Amino acid sequence: EAGVAQSPRYKIIEKRQSVAFWCNPISGHATLYWYQQILGQGPKLLIQFQNNGVVDDSQLPKDRFSAERLKGVDSTLKIQPAKLEDSAVYLCASSRDRASEKLFFGSGTQLSVL
Amino acid sequence: DQQVKQNSPSLSVQEGRISILNCDYTNSMFDYFLWYKKYPAEGPTFLISISSIKDKNEDGRFTVFLNKSAKHLSLHIVPSQPGDSAVYFCAASSGAGSYQLTFGKGTKLSVIP
Repeated sequence: EAGVAQSPRYKIIEKRQSVAFWCNPISGHATLYWYQQILGQGPKLLIQFQNNGVVDDSQLPKDRFSAERLKGVDSTLKIQPAKLEDSAVYLCASSRDRASEKLFFGSGTQLSVL
Repeated sequence: DQQVKQNSPSLSVQEGRISILNCDYTNSMFDYFLWYKKYPAEGPTFLISISSIKDKNEDGRFTVFLNKSAKHLSLHIVPSQPGDSAVYFCAASSGAGSYQLTFGKGTKLSVIP
């Protein structure tokens, strides 16, 4: 079974630029999460999707972050414009459904904002 | 405000001995607890979980203990192996049927051969 795929693996940008991350969850997984992990911290939930609908985006900085999962499969997270404090690893995770405690994480995208 | 706390950033243990990783939480609404393991350059992987209706859950070499009155849980690894060297995250969720996880900062375990 293929795992959660994320790209790119690394990204370096300057502040005020824009960036996008892509995630393809495990086939058949209805629930998709984006987490932000700042160095030395645990992952922090940004947004949760159930199929193509948003379940919770209360911790997403909506003035600069956006995310979509248009067809209920893969997802894109965008930052525009980026700030220095956005430097982090962005992790995508999926689960069979909202009632499943086993989240499967991708390897993440490491973003450096200079 | 950290709702899930792992106060030990690192832990070193000899191979074959017991590793004990600790986690404290402050939110009384948390009713499900999980441990995730993370190797460098990889995403976290699910290790073991426990519901608040239990005080112990065991899976092979891994056992999680929950003390609800103290708002404390611990992960025991016996015997520890070099391949267990990783960062271990404690996570918690609240609300039936929706696993929005709140993670601790992690504890880096080093198992010395």
